[in-house]
Amino acid sequence: GEDVEQSLFLSVREGDSSVINCTYTDSSSTYLYWYKQEPGAGLQLLTYIFSNMDMKQDQRLTVLLNKKDKHLSLRIADTQTGDSAIYFCAVSGNTPLVFGKGTRLSVIA
Amino acid sequence: NAGVMQNPRHLVRRRGQEARLRCSPMKGHSHVYWYRQLPEEGLKFMVYLQKENIIDESGMPKERFSAEFPKEGPSILRIQQVVRGDSAAYFCASSPIGPGTGTDTQYFGPGTRLTVL
Repeated sequence: GEDVEQSLFLSVREGDSSVINCTYTDSSSTYLYWYKQEPGAGLQLLTYIFSNMDMKQDQRLTVLLNKKDKHLSLRIADTQTGDSAIYFCAVSGNTPLVFGKGTRLSVIA
Repeated sequence: NAGVMQNPRHLVRRRGQEARLRCSPMKGHSHVYWYRQLPEEGLKFMVYLQKENIIDESGMPKERFSAEFPKEGPSILRIQQVVRGDSAAYFCASSPIGPGTGTDTQYFGPGTRLTVL
């Protein structure tokens, strides 16, 4: 079945850019998502990209997809303390979403 | 337009008791998914339901767990004879269409945190 991998931790300084990476195994995945989870809360959909796209930009967020390498990344420009959270990559095809374990982003003031 | 509602937000049960978790999808959404999140882990798919039907329960433990999504009312995830290992956050998500049919974006509820004593 599908396997989604993420690095577990990332620490950046306020104002810098953050890049969170994700790899997946199923080349038939059609939609790829980024969700944000703050402590004690549910998952908030940040953005998604369709598999026939290479890039999607939405304000401070940029998603890059390398379909050949099955690699997805989320770049957060001008990272703020409010961006501290766990970020989950998720992929879907003909089966329900498969999630990575999440990357915990810590922003240092 | 209210989001996905889950209740209760926190549930404490003793070993052997039953836990009932409720999920009301977003208005207009007929597809419901349940996920379990163990501490320091990602979300694991449990079951996918459409009104009155279980579509995919491949992630559901074979015993003690059941789910339903009746024609009227919320979806229910039921755990019988709970054990300490059932302690986790249980999230429900809904979407207007099913997987593989287009942008099946799932919107998540706030979760129910189950603690088994």
